[in-house]
Amino acid sequence: GESVGLHLPTLSVQEGDNSIINCAYSNSASDYFIWYKQESGKGPQFIIDIRSNMDKRQGQRVTVLLNKTVKHLSLQIAATQPGDSAVYFCAENSPGERSTLTFGKGTMLLVSP
Amino acid sequence: NAGVTQTPKFQVLKTGQSMTLQCAQDMNHNSMYWYRQDPGMGLRLIYYSASEGTTDKGEVPNGYNVSRLNKREFSLRLESAAPSQTSVYFCASSRDTSNQPQHFGDGTRLSIL
Repeated sequence: GESVGLHLPTLSVQEGDNSIINCAYSNSASDYFIWYKQESGKGPQFIIDIRSNMDKRQGQRVTVLLNKTVKHLSLQIAATQPGDSAVYFCAENSPGERSTLTFGKGTMLLVSP
Repeated sequence: NAGVTQTPKFQVLKTGQSMTLQCAQDMNHNSMYWYRQDPGMGLRLIYYSASEGTTDKGEVPNGYNVSRLNKREFSLRLESAAPSQTSVYFCASSRDTSNQPQHFGDGTRLSIL
């Protein structure tokens, strides 16, 4: 696959561990946030989103936490599996007439069996 | 349930050649986007179309043109390819531009020699 993961921060965990991936976002006015998963050779895949009027949202095996005070977003993956190995990145939506998403550079998650 | 389909998947061009990347979505989304992804840079927005009949520049529009052919299709054209345009190109779509997840295709891997 392409070298999307070059120079990315890497988190290495053992299968069955819980993983926490962090993201610092840039705009205090951002009101919507998304986590994506990108496997080698594939496009980004939507995992979970959260609006700024919430501080926590849970999905299947995943939880997103939002701390607006310090502009911090985290993705928690429970019971991490080898299939979770991928690059994860956050995106923020800044409100305005040309509202579009701004993407972070990503974190590579490596899960060992 | 194809989602977002991009063609071609791979392409090699010589400097100065032209090329059109095709994208189609079957989710009845109003908004469509073109990004490029380079190692260590994250996803950068080239152009987007908030709705059929409109297009707007993103962060890195120079050297590219787009056409929103109809609600389903959004093409990206390189008029005179340059080595700096070697990248992986992703198309995405969303219901609209504000506070909605974008859904991505699997990319076009473009090399310019």
